[in-house]
Amino acid sequence: EVQLLESGGGLVQPGGSLRLSCAASGFTFSSYAMSWVRQAPGKGLEWVSGIIASGGRTYYADSVKGRFTISRDNSRNTLYLQMNSLRAEDTAVYYCAKGGLAIVTAAIDYWGQGTLVTVTS
Amino acid sequence: DIQMTQSPSSVSASVGDRVTITCRASQGISSWLAWYQQKPGKAPKLLIYAASSLHTGVPSRFSGSGSGTDFTLTISSLQPEDFATYYCQQANSSPLTFGGGTKVEIK
Repeated sequence: EVQLLESGGGLVQPGGSLRLSCAASGFTFSSYAMSWVRQAPGKGLEWVSGIIASGGRTYYADSVKGRFTISRDNSRNTLYLQMNSLRAEDTAVYYCAKGGLAIVTAAIDYWGQGTLVTVTS
Repeated sequence: DIQMTQSPSSVSASVGDRVTITCRASQGISSWLAWYQQKPGKAPKLLIYAASSLHTGVPSRFSGSGSGTDFTLTISSLQPEDFATYYCQQANSSPLTFGGGTKVEIK
């Protein structure tokens, strides 16, 4: 059974930083691309960032480029999202998401339960 | 970036009804289209990938069609557990983009 367990969310002030983690199990982590997708309260889904299976290439939404960094540790089956210079508009539930292929451009076949990030003073 | 436009934004339907949701891409995406279902407070779940392929465990009352720029999700006979919000997503190019969602409500 595929399991994706996010952690690291919480309350942070504007300009602050947070690091999200996602522990994966139930599949060969190193064979699949991974993404982070967020959902602001009462809003739709927004893809934030993706990383290919090997970790050798990363992709970002324009809204987070230069502020967020995605990475993965295939030896630990863990995905990360380092979030710096946080803004109020980054407030959302962040989902860890498994791609159906080794490349990022594919359907997302499994999602974590989400972790809430709240940016407020 | 490829823009995804869903319609309608909401639909009221009864159990047993046939429901159709459409999704239009701002440029051709071949069959790189997925559909997701999301219930309140829960993570999305994949229903359809590659425009028309049913994900593991998804009931056969769900079906998808289309290619290029125009796509459709059909629920052939709406069940009580199908009341939810549905999203399309293009997987043709980065950034991955989602439609705005369609809320299926009880009539």
